[in-house]
Amino acid sequence: AQKVTQAQTEISVVEKEDVTLDCVYETRDTTYYLFWYKQPPSGELVFLIRRNSFDEQNEISGRYSWNFQKSTSSFNFTITASQVVDSAVYFCALSEARLGGYQKVTFGTGTKLQVIP
Amino acid sequence: DAGVIQSPRHEVTEMGQEVTLRCKPISGHDYLFWYRQTMMRGLELLIYFNNNVPIDDSGMPEDRFSAKMPNASFSTLKIQPSEPRDSAVYFCASSLYGSGNSPLHFGNGTRLTVT
Repeated sequence: AQKVTQAQTEISVVEKEDVTLDCVYETRDTTYYLFWYKQPPSGELVFLIRRNSFDEQNEISGRYSWNFQKSTSSFNFTITASQVVDSAVYFCALSEARLGGYQKVTFGTGTKLQVIP
Repeated sequence: DAGVIQSPRHEVTEMGQEVTLRCKPISGHDYLFWYRQTMMRGLELLIYFNNNVPIDDSGMPEDRFSAKMPNASFSTLKIQPSEPRDSAVYFCASSLYGSGNSPLHFGNGTRLTVT
C-alpha cells in the first residue's frame, strides 16, 4: 500500500526566510511518481512538479527547489526567500506506475505554510 | 487553454435537497476525477471516468451520490438527498493519461454547505 506522510501540519516563517516542507513516502513499487501541489487560500489545487523514481536529480525552478532522495524515501520542497504569496497548503502526492489503467494518487495530509510579512 | 471549469463555486442548501455539481474537463484529457476535501479526511477520490465511462466508484460514500459523464466535455456529481455531513469542497480534476506520470489538473472546486 502507498502512503505519504507530511509530518509538518503548519509552518510559519517571516518573509524572506527559507523554508523546507518535508514529504516521506512508502511504496512497494520500484517505479513511481511523486508530485507537489499548492492550494492557496483561494482554494484551487495547482500542480507544481512531477518526479519519477529513476530521476534523483534535484530540480530548481526560480525560488522553488525539490530534493528527491530514494535512500530516505523523501521528496522535500524548499522555498527560498519566501514571500507572502507563498502562503498556502502544500500537498505531496505519490502515484505508482504500471502498464494499463489508472494509477491511484495518494495524497499527503498537507502542510499549511504561512509567510508573515 | 482553459482549465477545468466547475460550477457553482458555492452551494448552500438544506438537508434533503438535491444538489448537482458540474464540471468541464480540459479538452483532450481522457480521465476525469471527482474528489472531496474535508478537514477530517483530506482529499478523497470519489469516482473517476476514462473516456466518459465510469471506471471506479468505490470512493462514492453512499447511494445518495451519483456521477455521470454524458460526453467528453461535461460531468455531473449529484447528491440526493443531501445531508449536513456532505458539506465539503468538491473538486473535479482531469488528466491526459491514466498512467502515474500524468498530473491532475484541478478545477477551483465547489464549496457545498448543507444546513
